Amino acid sequence: QSVLTQPPSVSGAPGQRVTISCTGSASNIGAGYDVHWYQLLPGTAPKLFIFGNTYRPSGVPDRVSGSKSGTSASLAITGLQAEDAADYYCQSYDSSLGIWVFGGGTKLTVL
Amino acid sequence: QVQLQESGPGLVKPSQTLSLGCSVSGASLSSDGSSWSWIRQHPGKGLEWIGHIYYSGSTYYNPSLKSRVIMAIDRSKNQFSLILNSVTAADTAVYYCARLYDYVGGSYFDYWGQGTLVTVSS
Repeated sequence: QSVLTQPPSVSGAPGQRVTISCTGSASNIGAGYDVHWYQLLPGTAPKLFIFGNTYRPSGVPDRVSGSKSGTSASLAITGLQAEDAADYYCQSYDSSLGIWVFGGGTKLTVL
Repeated sequence: QVQLQESGPGLVKPSQTLSLGCSVSGASLSSDGSSWSWIRQHPGKGLEWIGHIYYSGSTYYNPSLKSRVIMAIDRSKNQFSLILNSVTAADTAVYYCARLYDYVGGSYFDYWGQGTLVTVSS
């Protein structure tokens, strides 16, 4: 059971918008720790996708955005493309457990 | 271009020791704000932070694994390593090495290796 909760899967047609939620608690996201997102593709190194809740690393397209409010965060991808199909994980820090924590991951399918 | 590459055996027998290395290129282990981490992903499951090591040699381990984990750093080779003792089938996973970057608001893993699958089986 992951400390951060994500939906197991989301899907959308090319061109559509999808969002992936990440729900935490008062000891992690709600405590003010930033949320970061990673894209995992089979056989490749995981890629930092969003850092500091809203910032995109170089090379991540501007149709990707992140937000945070209260004990939750979201990743949004607009103008879906086939290349966006991947697993996405959120990550933060939990002060009660004293560990870096991840969500359970969300599989994005582009229909 | 920062690159990390894991190395080590893909098969370990139960009760024995898992030993992995991570070679870093394009960045120094002494980079400001950096620590060097191990993360694993059990088959079909999410990511689990194992621990990290600073350039100084200080370590920080996940309490759930602390009794079995040792991390070390080789400054001359720009490499760091993971030892996990007394492994069981539950330690079968893809093991990733990554850089953990600290800043005021938190910390994130900005560079990762491709991962290496370690299977624990007799």
